[in-house]
Amino acid sequence: QKEVEQNSGPLSVPEGAIASLNCTYSDRGSQSFFWYRQYSGKSPELIMFIYSNGDKEDGRFTAQLNKASQYVSLLIRDSQPSDSATYLCAVSGRGYSTLTFGKGTMLLVSP
Amino acid sequence: DTAVSQTPKYLVTQMGNDKSIKCEQNLGHDTMYWYKQDSKKFLKIMFSYNNKELIINETVPNRFSPKSPDKAHLNLHINSLELGDSAVYFCASSQEIRTRSARGGNTIYFGEGSWLTVV
Repeated sequence: QKEVEQNSGPLSVPEGAIASLNCTYSDRGSQSFFWYRQYSGKSPELIMFIYSNGDKEDGRFTAQLNKASQYVSLLIRDSQPSDSATYLCAVSGRGYSTLTFGKGTMLLVSP
Repeated sequence: DTAVSQTPKYLVTQMGNDKSIKCEQNLGHDTMYWYKQDSKKFLKIMFSYNNKELIINETVPNRFSPKSPDKAHLNLHINSLELGDSAVYFCASSQEIRTRSARGGNTIYFGEGSWLTVV
């Protein structure tokens, strides 16, 4: 049974700070890792994905992957109140596979 | 142009009724999904179709029956609705589901969701 674990939060950070969101996964064969953002009452939208160990940067967002530790994180620099949402970590495995989602971490950015 | 569209967006119905949710994607993707998000916001896969063929069927009651007339459409029919079926149902699609070559190509794009309330 594949599992994806996230702290449900809420994670509260002041505007302008760095928000750090963490995720661990159980299936060592997992190959691709995704971060989605979901605003209340809306559908999840992709922020970024990563499949190689290390960092991947896209604007204010940086995804970090450590396959040895089965750990993936998302850093949000210069957090804005508009970043307040639930962040879902998702993992895909091998063969025919779909995404397994964590339960999400709620981020609150205060002005 | 909505990439993944599903209807209806809101549905309130009585226990025991039968209802359908329709989904269409115009992204040219081969794979479509139904996800269920419960009141605790946990997003869980229900079904996945690749080129009209069912490839993933998680532990879902037989009252739920997906139908894919072509690779751009995946509908969900629910018989004998129960209170516990109340949730948000998301349709989604992706280009590639074979993760050996996916490298992010199996990125899933979601529809706007269908809010089902069973009373």
